[in-house]
Amino acid sequence: EAQVTQNPRYLITVTGKKLTVTCSQNMNHEYMSWYRQDPGLGLRQIYYSMNVEVTDKGDVPEGYKVSRKEKRNFPLILESPSPNQTSLYFCASSAGQGQYFGPGTRLLVL
Amino acid sequence: GNSVTQMEGPVTLSEEAFLTINCTYTATGYPSLFWYVQYPGEGLQLLLKATKADDKGSNKGFEATYRKETTSFHLEKGSVQVSDSAVYFCALTRPNFGNEKLTFGTGTRLTIIP
Repeated sequence: EAQVTQNPRYLITVTGKKLTVTCSQNMNHEYMSWYRQDPGLGLRQIYYSMNVEVTDKGDVPEGYKVSRKEKRNFPLILESPSPNQTSLYFCASSAGQGQYFGPGTRLLVL
Repeated sequence: GNSVTQMEGPVTLSEEAFLTINCTYTATGYPSLFWYVQYPGEGLQLLLKATKADDKGSNKGFEATYRKETTSFHLEKGSVQVSDSAVYFCALTRPNFGNEKLTFGTGTRLTIIP
């Protein structure tokens, strides 16, 4: 089954404690992206990757890092999380028109 | 820049009612247009899409027509069901140097009452 998986699905952490949210896709897609969803703001792009070792900033990259060492994986790293990064995060992948989204990771930073 | 404006929700309808969710956009050139649906506790799923003017996207009884003259992509369904209760997002993309970034509207929550 074609899918994008994310882990963990839910995470509660404290300010400053580094965390990683993993994302994996099994469709051999070159393009992957991270979004955050906040009430009243819709979804906003954080980072994207056009292929292995090629990443670039989206609209709201501050406080986040990504890496793309393998085609299937695109982890999102928060080196020093802050409360304003409390949000619902989605990973997506695409081979053209239309993106496949993961189930989301709900993050609470205390 | 690109932007998408959706009708504010929430929208509550009775089962078998006719649904319209309005969506208008601002973009240079010719974007591709999408409707995504988010069921409770799940990620976004592509519902339908249209890539050029006058195209009609359709899926699961939903339809939307790409209207360049009115810069609109309204979502319609003739007879809604309880299972259609979800949040619906209108979105556009204009691939730029390989970035297929989707620009989303803020979403419209739809509740269908039996």
